[in-house]
Amino acid sequence: DIVMTQTPLSSPVTLGQPASISCRSSQSLLHSDGNTYLSWFHQRPGQPPRLLIYKISNRFSGVADRFSGSGAGTDFTLKIRRVEAEDVGVYYCMQAKEFPRTFGQGTKVEIK
Amino acid sequence: QVQLVESGGGVVQPGRSLRLSCAASGFTFSSYGMHWVRQAPGKGLEWVAVIWNDASQKYYADSVKGRFTVTKDSSKNTLYLEMNSLRAEDTAVYYCVRWGESGVTLDHWGQGTLVTVSS
Repeated sequence: DIVMTQTPLSSPVTLGQPASISCRSSQSLLHSDGNTYLSWFHQRPGQPPRLLIYKISNRFSGVADRFSGSGAGTDFTLKIRRVEAEDVGVYYCMQAKEFPRTFGQGTKVEIK
Repeated sequence: QVQLVESGGGVVQPGRSLRLSCAASGFTFSSYGMHWVRQAPGKGLEWVAVIWNDASQKYYADSVKGRFTVTKDSSKNTLYLEMNSLRAEDTAVYYCVRWGESGVTLDHWGQGTLVTVSS
């Protein structure tokens, strides 16, 4: 199975400041079809997760443009340009290259 | 709009069975694959199972293989998860999730249903 490792596991941030989360996979997520299947999800307390980013850098419908994804191969990053209060919660990366799908441990973002 | 509503959760004794349902609306259910993802209390996300849009293929996490079965009934727009030989470690909120198009994976999530395995 592909192991997904996120850093940091906790990230206290100041409102209006940027935030960054890293995700590393144990093997390349580049699929034979040419796509790299790395997604990011955000889960607010008491809510189901919601999709933010798919295929490394594509924002899902309705996702604010302050969220951006980047990376290639085995190293990926989610950036929040200026953190807003509604951005608190846990962020997960997930590989969708193969089954079983696997998630990172989660990164908790909270306001300082 | 896309809606996924899970039901069937509850408290069940170890070794017993439970069937979860997920009622889908707002999209052509027969055209989409579907996943189950679970989250133990206070823990992270764990992928459980997937079924192709036409039910031709299914995959399971090793932790549930041989005990859980995923099915879908497109005439009823409903996804199911049959869970047998339940264990304490199966205690979790179970989410029904749509497999999006064109590489947009896990694009819509239900609110989840809680399964508690306890004597």
